[in-house]
Amino acid sequence: GQQVMQIPQYQHVQEGEDFTTYCNSSTTLSNIQWYKQRPGGHPVFLIQLVKSGEVKKQKRLTFQFGEAKKNSSLHITATQTTDVGTYFCAETRGSQGNLIFGKGTKLSVKP
Amino acid sequence: EAQVTQNPRYLITVTGKKLTVTCSQNMNHEYMSWYRQDPGLGLRQIYYSMNVEVTDKGDVPEGYKVSRKEKRNFPLILESPSPNQTSLYFCASARTAQSSYNSPLHFGNGTRLTVT
Repeated sequence: GQQVMQIPQYQHVQEGEDFTTYCNSSTTLSNIQWYKQRPGGHPVFLIQLVKSGEVKKQKRLTFQFGEAKKNSSLHITATQTTDVGTYFCAETRGSQGNLIFGKGTKLSVKP
Repeated sequence: EAQVTQNPRYLITVTGKKLTVTCSQNMNHEYMSWYRQDPGLGLRQIYYSMNVEVTDKGDVPEGYKVSRKEKRNFPLILESPSPNQTSLYFCASARTAQSSYNSPLHFGNGTRLTVT
């Protein structure tokens, strides 16, 4: 099955720089979820977006859902070393609502 | 404490020796799922279950079996493991199917399997 496309695959930033990861789909998404996985850890739910054009913020993290509900982004302002990890978007697929993950963006932050 | 418990955390086995990875959740969740994580490939779904006695294939089901006889347990069975099943495995659960709002996945801590 086709996953949502997530870019970039890797991102290396200097502490204090901003970071953005994008999630793109060829089909309209009913909703999208974002997860963070710290090195050596398991994915942890961050947020779910449902409405067209929705924007949600969690401290330095800003999540957006595109107007056409075919893309989403996660933006981190002024990265910190605690932001290190892999960020996944996940789409709901099919009538049963099964959750399928993108390949993730691995973020490293240089102090 | 609400959690998803996987066992074992690490497992080294040989080709062809049947093994089971257990998964249990104490949140009365309807939905459970197994994923494998490989470098560069992200999280790929193996099998999922919408409720007791209801299971279905994910994207990479070959070589795996599951069962959902009780709501809390969702074991992953490898009848004849092969080296290409060496991977990091995650079990996850959610209150309902993912089309419902506010049903995030709760993940276990993972099982790192090596098949030689």
